[in-house]
Order: sequence, then structure tokens, then C-alpha cells
Amino acid sequence: GENVEQHPSTLSVQEGDSAVIKCTYSDSASNYFPWYKQELGKRPQLIIDIRSNVGEKKDQRIAVTLNKTAKHFSLHITETQPEDSAVYFCAAAYNQGGKLIFGQGTELSVKP
Amino acid sequence: GAVVSQHPSWVICKSGTSVKIECRSLDFQATTMFWYRQFPKQSLMLMATSNEGSKATYEQGVEKDKFLINHASLTLSTLTVTSAHPEDSSFYICSARQGAEGYTFGSGTRLTVV
Repeated sequence: GENVEQHPSTLSVQEGDSAVIKCTYSDSASNYFPWYKQELGKRPQLIIDIRSNVGEKKDQRIAVTLNKTAKHFSLHITETQPEDSAVYFCAAAYNQGGKLIFGQGTELSVKP
Repeated sequence: GAVVSQHPSWVICKSGTSVKIECRSLDFQATTMFWYRQFPKQSLMLMATSNEGSKATYEQGVEKDKFLINHASLTLSTLTVTSAHPEDSSFYICSARQGAEGYTFGSGTRLTVV
């Protein structure tokens, strides 16, 4: 079945450093890859997404890269700030409307 | 933007009772709703997919007789946890498919079974 693997499970960086979170997916038919930020007890918040016809997308300090051949996609956060501390989830879906499968999550801690 | 209203936000119930959770799409028609369960410090695990007017599709390992899903209209999907037990205590969250726009999540329901 569909599976999304996410690494690392925890990540601690100093304020101003970059953070990278990596995911792999199993279903080659997946073509929509969102990233979510979730604070404790709250709903996931979409921070960036990418479709399979694009290799990279950037939005200010956040970027996502996709390697379809390897079935890898990554989240890059530059110039991290303490308010970036949260749990981040990658996900993969088929046709952006099919079921969304989540990775295991990464707890990011940005130390001032 | 699109909003999915989920109620209740939290509920405490006695073991053996049933609890109903509602998700309503407020400004769009949600033909498909996804239901997730999230245990503390874990990921969102897909439980089932509900389509308006048809039976829900459950993920492997999810008991369909225990987690009843109804999607009787284009704006309302419900999840009923029947005969709840302490191990069912979790954060339940719905997500509506909004055409090509992606997914909109409800605010979640914290269920505690005592």
C-alpha cells in the first residue's frame, strides 16, 4: 500500500541556521506533495506544496524539492526562527484529491 | 477560504458509550471527506474515506463496525465511535477534498474515554 517515510524524527538547529527534512514515497502514481506545520492540538497548516510536474518551489524562507525518479521530496527552511519550532509533516496524494498519506513527522526545535 | 467546521472540539465519555463527531464544509461542497486519527506524538493515520451518498472505504486494520461513517450530504460527514474504550482516546480530525484546491482540515476533536 501507500507509504511515506520521513526523516529525521527530531531536528534541533540554532536560530539562523537551515533545516532540511526529507521524505520518500512508495506510490509512483502520487503526484501531489504538501508539507504541513502542526502545533500541539491544532489542525495541520499547509506551508507549501509541490506537484509532480515541478522539481522545485520556493516561498520566501521555505522551499521544497522533488525528485520523481527517486521518489524523494524535501523541505528546506532557511534562516530559521524560534517561531518555526513545531512538528512538520510531509504527505503524498494521488491527483491532489485522492487520499493523503502522511509521513511520521519531524519535531523541529529552533534554539535562540 | 474554504472552511471545515468540526464539532465537538473535545469530548469526554464513559467507556462503552458512543460518540459522534461532525464535520461540515461551510462554503463548498465536499464530495469526499477523509477521517484521521492522531495519537500523541504520532502522525495522522488515515482511518477511512467517505464519499457523499455511498459507503465509506476503510483503511486496513480499521474496524468499520466500530467507527461508523455517514456522509449523507455534500456538506456533512459524521464519524461515530461506538462502544468507546480508553484505547480509542485520541485526536480525530477530518479533511475535505476541495476539487483541485487541495485539502481543508477540520479543527480536530480530542476524545477522552474514561
